[in-house]
Amino acid sequence: EAGVTQFPSHSVIEKGQTVTLRCDPISGHDNLYWYRRVMGKEIKFLLHFVKESKQDESGMPNNRFLAERTGGTYSTLKVQPAELEDSGVYFCASSQGWANEKLFFGSGTQLSVL
Amino acid sequence: AQSVTQLGSHVSVSEGALVLLRCNYSSSVPPYLFWYVQYPNQGLQLLLKYTTGATLVKGINGFEAEFKKSETSFHLTKPSAHMSDAAEYFCAVSGYNNNDMRFGAGTRLTVKP
Repeated sequence: EAGVTQFPSHSVIEKGQTVTLRCDPISGHDNLYWYRRVMGKEIKFLLHFVKESKQDESGMPNNRFLAERTGGTYSTLKVQPAELEDSGVYFCASSQGWANEKLFFGSGTQLSVL
Repeated sequence: AQSVTQLGSHVSVSEGALVLLRCNYSSSVPPYLFWYVQYPNQGLQLLLKYTTGATLVKGINGFEAEFKKSETSFHLTKPSAHMSDAAEYFCAVSGYNNNDMRFGAGTRLTVKP
Protein backbone atom coordinates (compact mmCIF):
# COMPACT_ATOMS: atom_id res chain seq x y z
CA GLU A 1 0.00 0.00 0.00
CA ALA A 2 1.39 3.39 -0.98
CA GLY A 3 1.91 5.85 1.82
CA VAL A 4 1.41 9.60 1.83
CA THR A 5 3.53 11.17 -0.87
CA GLN A 6 4.59 14.78 -1.17
CA PHE A 7 6.10 16.65 -4.08
CA PRO A 8 8.57 18.26 -4.39
CA SER A 9 10.84 17.12 -1.58
CA HIS A 10 12.77 20.38 -1.76
CA SER A 11 11.97 23.78 -3.24
CA VAL A 12 14.16 26.85 -3.33
CA ILE A 13 12.50 30.05 -4.52
CA GLU A 14 13.05 33.78 -4.28
CA LYS A 15 10.93 36.11 -2.24
CA GLY A 16 7.87 37.16 -4.19
CA GLN A 17 7.66 34.00 -6.28
CA THR A 18 4.89 31.41 -6.16
CA VAL A 19 5.27 27.82 -5.05
CA THR A 20 2.78 24.97 -5.10
CA LEU A 21 3.20 21.93 -2.90
CA ARG A 22 1.35 18.72 -3.58
CA CYS A 23 0.19 15.92 -1.30
CA ASP A 24 -1.27 12.56 -2.27
CA PRO A 25 -2.88 10.91 0.76
CA ILE A 26 -3.37 7.21 1.32
CA SER A 27 -6.17 5.97 -0.88
CA GLY A 28 -9.47 5.97 0.98
CA HIS A 29 -8.40 8.45 3.64
CA ASP A 30 -11.03 11.19 3.74
CA ASN A 31 -9.07 13.31 6.20
CA LEU A 32 -6.06 15.28 5.03
CA TYR A 33 -3.99 17.68 7.11
CA TRP A 34 -1.26 20.19 6.40
CA TYR A 35 1.36 21.06 9.00
CA ARG A 36 4.43 23.28 9.01
CA ARG A 37 7.65 23.14 10.98
CA VAL A 38 9.76 26.27 11.04
CA MET A 39 13.45 26.30 12.02
CA GLY A 40 13.39 23.18 14.20
CA LYS A 41 10.46 24.41 16.25
CA GLU A 42 7.20 22.62 16.93
CA ILE A 43 5.10 21.18 14.12
CA LYS A 44 2.12 23.49 13.71
CA PHE A 45 -1.29 22.67 12.32
CA LEU A 46 -2.32 24.58 9.20
CA LEU A 47 -5.59 23.08 8.03
CA HIS A 48 -7.77 20.01 7.72
CA PHE A 49 -9.82 18.70 4.82
CA VAL A 50 -12.61 16.18 5.03
CA LYS A 51 -12.88 14.96 1.47
CA GLU A 52 -12.91 18.16 -0.61
CA SER A 53 -14.21 20.43 2.16
CA LYS A 54 -12.11 22.54 4.49
CA GLN A 55 -13.07 21.43 7.98
CA ASP A 56 -10.69 23.69 9.84
CA GLU A 57 -8.29 26.27 8.45
CA SER A 58 -7.60 28.10 11.65
CA GLY A 59 -3.86 27.50 11.40
CA MET A 60 -3.33 29.13 8.02
CA PRO A 61 -0.92 32.03 8.58
CA ASN A 62 -2.48 34.57 6.17
CA ASN A 63 -4.19 34.93 2.82
CA ARG A 64 -0.99 34.26 0.89
CA PHE A 65 -1.63 30.58 1.57
CA LEU A 66 -4.28 28.75 -0.44
CA ALA A 67 -5.07 25.07 -0.04
CA GLU A 68 -7.28 23.01 -2.29
CA ARG A 69 -8.32 19.40 -2.49
CA THR A 70 -9.86 18.71 -5.83
CA GLY A 71 -12.34 15.84 -5.87
CA GLY A 72 -11.32 14.83 -2.39
CA THR A 73 -8.14 13.17 -3.60
CA TYR A 74 -4.81 14.97 -3.74
CA SER A 75 -4.27 18.37 -2.19
CA THR A 76 -2.19 21.38 -3.12
CA LEU A 77 -0.89 24.19 -0.95
CA LYS A 78 0.03 27.34 -2.82
CA VAL A 79 2.06 30.18 -1.37
CA GLN A 80 1.74 33.42 -3.34
CA PRO A 81 3.76 35.57 -3.01
CA ALA A 82 6.29 33.77 -0.85
CA GLU A 83 8.02 35.62 1.98
CA LEU A 84 11.22 34.76 3.87
CA GLU A 85 9.29 33.65 6.95
CA ASP A 86 7.47 30.99 4.92
CA SER A 87 10.62 28.86 4.87
CA GLY A 88 10.27 25.55 6.67
CA VAL A 89 9.18 21.96 6.23
CA TYR A 90 5.59 21.43 5.14
CA PHE A 91 4.13 18.10 6.14
CA CYS A 92 0.99 16.48 4.89
CA ALA A 93 -0.81 13.74 6.81
CA SER A 94 -3.91 11.66 6.25
CA SER A 95 -6.19 9.53 8.38
CA GLN A 96 -9.36 7.50 8.03
CA GLY A 97 -11.23 9.14 10.88
CA TRP A 98 -10.47 12.38 12.67
CA ALA A 99 -11.27 11.55 16.26
CA ASN A 100 -7.69 11.11 17.44
CA GLU A 101 -6.99 8.63 14.72
CA LYS A 102 -3.48 7.59 13.78
CA LEU A 103 -1.96 10.06 11.36
CA PHE A 104 0.09 8.88 8.40
CA PHE A 105 2.66 11.49 7.40
CA GLY A 106 4.45 12.24 4.19
CA SER A 107 8.17 12.92 4.26
CA GLY A 108 7.60 16.65 3.85
CA THR A 109 8.58 19.44 1.50
CA GLN A 110 11.54 21.57 2.55
CA LEU A 111 10.76 25.09 1.35
CA SER A 112 13.51 27.69 1.31
CA VAL A 113 12.60 31.27 0.42
CA LEU A 114 15.66 33.42 -0.35
CA ALA B 1 -6.18 24.42 24.70
CA GLN B 2 -3.39 21.90 24.47
CA SER B 3 0.38 22.35 24.49
CA VAL B 4 3.47 20.20 24.81
CA THR B 5 6.96 20.85 26.10
CA GLN B 6 9.77 18.49 25.24
CA LEU B 7 12.75 18.87 27.54
CA GLY B 8 15.99 18.68 25.63
CA SER B 9 16.25 19.27 21.90
CA HIS B 10 19.16 16.81 21.72
CA VAL B 11 19.77 13.63 23.70
CA SER B 12 22.80 11.41 23.26
CA VAL B 13 23.13 7.90 24.69
CA SER B 14 25.47 4.99 24.23
CA GLU B 15 24.29 1.84 22.52
CA GLY B 16 22.70 -0.41 25.14
CA ALA B 17 21.97 2.44 27.54
CA LEU B 18 18.57 3.57 28.75
CA VAL B 19 16.71 6.02 26.55
CA LEU B 20 14.60 8.65 28.34
CA LEU B 21 12.89 11.41 26.36
CA ARG B 22 10.86 13.84 28.39
CA CYS B 23 7.47 15.30 27.56
CA ASN B 24 5.17 17.47 29.65
CA TYR B 25 1.77 18.53 28.46
CA SER B 26 -0.97 20.98 29.24
CA SER B 27 -4.57 20.25 28.36
CA SER B 28 -7.95 21.76 29.24
CA VAL B 29 -9.67 18.41 28.61
CA PRO B 30 -8.67 14.79 29.24
CA PRO B 31 -5.70 14.38 26.94
CA TYR B 32 -4.84 11.94 24.24
CA LEU B 33 -1.06 11.63 24.10
CA PHE B 34 1.19 10.46 21.30
CA TRP B 35 4.81 9.84 20.46
CA TYR B 36 5.85 10.01 16.82
CA VAL B 37 9.28 9.25 15.39
CA GLN B 38 10.88 10.64 12.25
CA TYR B 39 13.76 8.76 10.69
CA PRO B 40 15.94 10.61 8.16
CA ASN B 41 14.16 11.38 4.89
CA GLN B 42 10.93 9.80 6.08
CA GLY B 43 7.61 11.00 7.40
CA LEU B 44 6.59 10.84 11.04
CA GLN B 45 5.47 7.42 12.25
CA LEU B 46 3.33 6.68 15.27
CA LEU B 47 5.30 4.98 18.05
CA LEU B 48 2.54 4.75 20.61
CA LYS B 49 -0.49 6.55 21.96
CA TYR B 50 -2.40 6.88 25.20
CA THR B 51 -6.15 7.29 25.14
CA THR B 52 -7.72 5.91 28.32
CA GLY B 53 -7.16 2.99 30.61
CA ALA B 54 -3.74 1.57 31.40
CA THR B 55 -1.26 4.35 32.01
CA LEU B 56 1.76 2.39 30.78
CA VAL B 57 1.61 2.20 27.02
CA LYS B 58 3.81 -0.08 24.96
CA GLY B 59 4.72 0.82 21.42
CA ILE B 60 6.78 -0.43 18.55
CA ASN B 61 10.52 -1.14 18.63
CA GLY B 62 10.59 -1.70 22.40
CA PHE B 63 9.51 1.81 23.38
CA GLU B 64 7.02 2.55 26.12
CA ALA B 65 5.61 5.63 27.81
CA GLU B 66 3.82 6.23 31.06
CA PHE B 67 0.99 8.71 31.50
CA LYS B 68 1.32 10.47 34.86
CA LYS B 69 -1.59 12.82 35.38
CA SER B 70 -0.26 14.24 38.65
CA GLU B 71 2.96 15.26 36.91
CA THR B 72 1.33 16.08 33.53
CA SER B 73 4.04 13.98 31.92
CA PHE B 74 4.28 11.35 29.21
CA HIS B 75 7.96 10.41 29.09
CA LEU B 76 9.22 7.93 26.49
CA THR B 77 11.63 5.19 27.52
CA LYS B 78 13.47 2.24 26.08
CA PRO B 79 15.64 0.01 28.29
CA SER B 80 18.45 -0.51 25.79
CA ALA B 81 19.24 1.83 22.90
CA HIS B 82 20.05 0.51 19.48
CA MET B 83 21.85 2.33 16.70
CA SER B 84 18.68 2.16 14.62
CA ASP B 85 16.86 4.27 17.24
CA ALA B 86 18.70 7.39 16.10
CA ALA B 87 15.95 9.71 14.91
CA GLU B 88 13.88 12.71 15.94
CA TYR B 89 11.04 12.09 18.36
CA PHE B 90 7.92 14.22 18.74
CA CYS B 91 5.48 14.22 21.61
CA ALA B 92 1.92 15.36 20.83
CA VAL B 93 -1.28 16.01 22.76
CA SER B 94 -4.83 16.33 21.50
CA GLY B 95 -8.25 16.84 22.94
CA TYR B 96 -11.36 15.84 21.08
CA ASN B 97 -9.97 15.29 17.62
CA ASN B 98 -6.92 15.50 15.40
CA ASN B 99 -7.44 19.21 14.72
CA ASP B 100 -6.63 19.89 18.37
CA MET B 101 -3.33 18.03 18.15
CA ARG B 102 -0.31 20.02 19.25
CA PHE B 103 3.24 18.83 18.77
CA GLY B 104 6.36 19.52 20.73
CA ALA B 105 9.52 20.91 19.17
CA GLY B 106 11.09 17.48 18.90
CA THR B 107 14.05 15.72 20.51
CA ARG B 108 16.85 14.43 18.35
CA LEU B 109 18.25 11.18 19.70
CA THR B 110 21.83 10.23 18.89
CA VAL B 111 23.11 6.74 19.71
CA LYS B 112 26.86 6.33 20.10
CA PRO B 113 28.54 2.99 19.44
